Amino acid sequence: DAKTTQPPSMDCAEGRAANLPCNHSTISGNEYVYWYRQIHSQGPQYIIHGLKNNETNEMASLIITEDRKSSTLILPHATLRDTAVYYCIVRVVESNYQLIWGAGTKLIIKP
Amino acid sequence: KAGVTQTPRYLIKTRGQQVTLSCSPISGHRSVSWYQQTPGQGLQFLFEYFSETQRNKGNFPGRFSGRQFSNSRSEMNVSTLELGDSALYLCASSLAPLGTNQPQHFGDGTRLSIL
Repeated sequence: DAKTTQPPSMDCAEGRAANLPCNHSTISGNEYVYWYRQIHSQGPQYIIHGLKNNETNEMASLIITEDRKSSTLILPHATLRDTAVYYCIVRVVESNYQLIWGAGTKLIIKP
Repeated sequence: KAGVTQTPRYLIKTRGQQVTLSCSPISGHRSVSWYQQTPGQGLQFLFEYFSETQRNKGNFPGRFSGRQFSNSRSEMNVSTLELGDSALYLCASSLAPLGTNQPQHFGDGTRLSIL
């Protein structure tokens, strides 16, 4: 079973920041949090990952709470092309670091 | 830099046949993993290869097998196809094996339909 919980769907207005939450309350100390997104009929696209510090790259920012039980992916200026299913994944030590995928959040960017 | 390339993109087979899917990883990536994606089960891990050796295996029957070549290209084979094998098969590559913090990068998959 996935170690993460995400809302099934979210809306965001074009040009605004999209904040996608993820709960991972059973995460272990050495397990990273990864974010991917999947646009219809394409393979998942890697976005960002982190352990305990906040991370930023050209696509997004990742904010991880101090207790590491939850995180937020931030798309600073959402565009219509950001409409996709977003997956928050913890790479699980017990399953030999396999990525265990949940159902993700369907993010719809509205004009 | 070219991404992960999977061929073919689409495939139609009938029950009982076998199929081979191909994956070319990003140049320099030595780890290749395979996943099955279906609407009901989501993305499920099949296996991982690194340096021509299978390092990890998911909970799939022995009809699902794979291999990796010395140039890191990988193939996945499914024998005695069943209707339930209809799915999108995804290949992902990374610089280092699972167990490191290297992200995986995915191809666009092969959509396999079983009639």
